[in-house]
Amino acid sequence: DQQVKQNSPSLSVQEGRISILNCDYTNSMFDYFLWYKKYPAEGPTFLISISSIKDKNEDGRFTVFLNKSAKHLSLHIVPSQPGDSAVYFCAATGLNTDKLIFGTGTRLQVFP
Amino acid sequence: DAGVIQSPRHEVTEMGQEVTLRCKPISGHDYLFWYRQTMMRGLELLIYFNNNVPIDDSGMPEDRFSAKMPNASFSTLKIQPSEPRDSAVYFCASSPSSEQYFGPGTRLTVT
Repeated sequence: DQQVKQNSPSLSVQEGRISILNCDYTNSMFDYFLWYKKYPAEGPTFLISISSIKDKNEDGRFTVFLNKSAKHLSLHIVPSQPGDSAVYFCAATGLNTDKLIFGTGTRLQVFP
Repeated sequence: DAGVIQSPRHEVTEMGQEVTLRCKPISGHDYLFWYRQTMMRGLELLIYFNNNVPIDDSGMPEDRFSAKMPNASFSTLKIQPSEPRDSAVYFCASSPSSEQYFGPGTRLTVT
């Protein structure tokens, strides 16, 4: 049972344009969501997070939106840069757990 | 801080051999997690510790897998005997709270 789903395995975007990565979850007990970025041969690195009490969190070029009613979150990268090319993982956790549940990842490629 | 340290970075072994993966978490982090990444399943949590005590090992696939954390600065994941289907990248992560910090991973190949 995949509680966190990233339905797009890959995304290709031109440099300077917006990248939108999507994530859906099924467990209504999740109340904290994170995005991780992973380059080849490296571990995932924390990018940005959002609590369920908010619907938006922004950090520079990265913004995460949360729609609790739809159980959906998205990561916007504006403007996209070639260095953003990586695999992005969505993760979720809840009050009664220390675990992060990860999605299967979306490979973003930003081309010139 | 050097971040989470894992060794070895690459391991190639023959089926049936024992494999030991090592992890040094970030100092001061109370939580330590072991993950396995495969193409089919993505990032799977195998086991995690809180203050050196195993809390949840429900992700450990079989009895062939075992993990220990003898002190706050060291953990091991052991596979004995190893099988080709254990081939994957194994990550260790440590955390002071919700955000986890990952090591570079160990790429295991079992032939």
